[in-house]
Amino acid sequence: KAGVTQTPRYLIKTRGQQVTLSCSPISGHRSVSWYQQTPGQGLQFLFEYFSETQRNKGNFPGRFSGRQFSNSRSEMNVSTLELGDSALYLCASSLDGTGRLFFGSGTQLSVL
Amino acid sequence: DQQVKQNSPSLSVQEGRISILNCDYTNSMFDYFLWYKKYPAEGPTFLISISSIKDKNEDGRFTVFLNKSAKHLSLHIVPSQPGDSAVYFCAASAGSSGSARQLTFGSGTQLTVLP
Repeated sequence: KAGVTQTPRYLIKTRGQQVTLSCSPISGHRSVSWYQQTPGQGLQFLFEYFSETQRNKGNFPGRFSGRQFSNSRSEMNVSTLELGDSALYLCASSLDGTGRLFFGSGTQLSVL
Repeated sequence: DQQVKQNSPSLSVQEGRISILNCDYTNSMFDYFLWYKKYPAEGPTFLISISSIKDKNEDGRFTVFLNKSAKHLSLHIVPSQPGDSAVYFCAASAGSSGSARQLTFGSGTQLTVLP
């Protein structure tokens, strides 16, 4: 069974631009979560989607948004990029949001 | 306000010895705890979990202990192997037991196992 796939692996943007990250969950998994990891920080929860509905949202500004499609694939969008948005963005999937999460390898975003 | 704290950024142990990684939490609503391991350039991988109704869970070389009164959990790796060298994250969730809808992670501990 293929794991969680995130694209692209690396991304370089400049301040003020917007970016879209993509995540394909493990087949059959309906819950997709997004986390941000910055140097020296743990992973911080962004949001969780289940059956195309956002069930939970972390403490991030409205510039961070996401969505989930009917095939459970998810996208995350960050608008008006700031230098502080440089981070590793991790997507994770689970069957229904319970128990363990299966993480992708992440998208490393650099904002210049 | 860090609700999950891993106070040791790094730990070095000799191969074959025990590794003990510690984690403290402040939110008494947390009822499910997990440990993840992360290698560079990879996503975290699940290691072991424990529900608040238990105080110990074992899986091979990995054992997690939970002390609810102290709001403390620890991960024991016995025996430690060089391949265990990675960053270890402690995570917790609140709400319905087993729910992983929103995990709160610690900042991680870099474990180095010396041959």
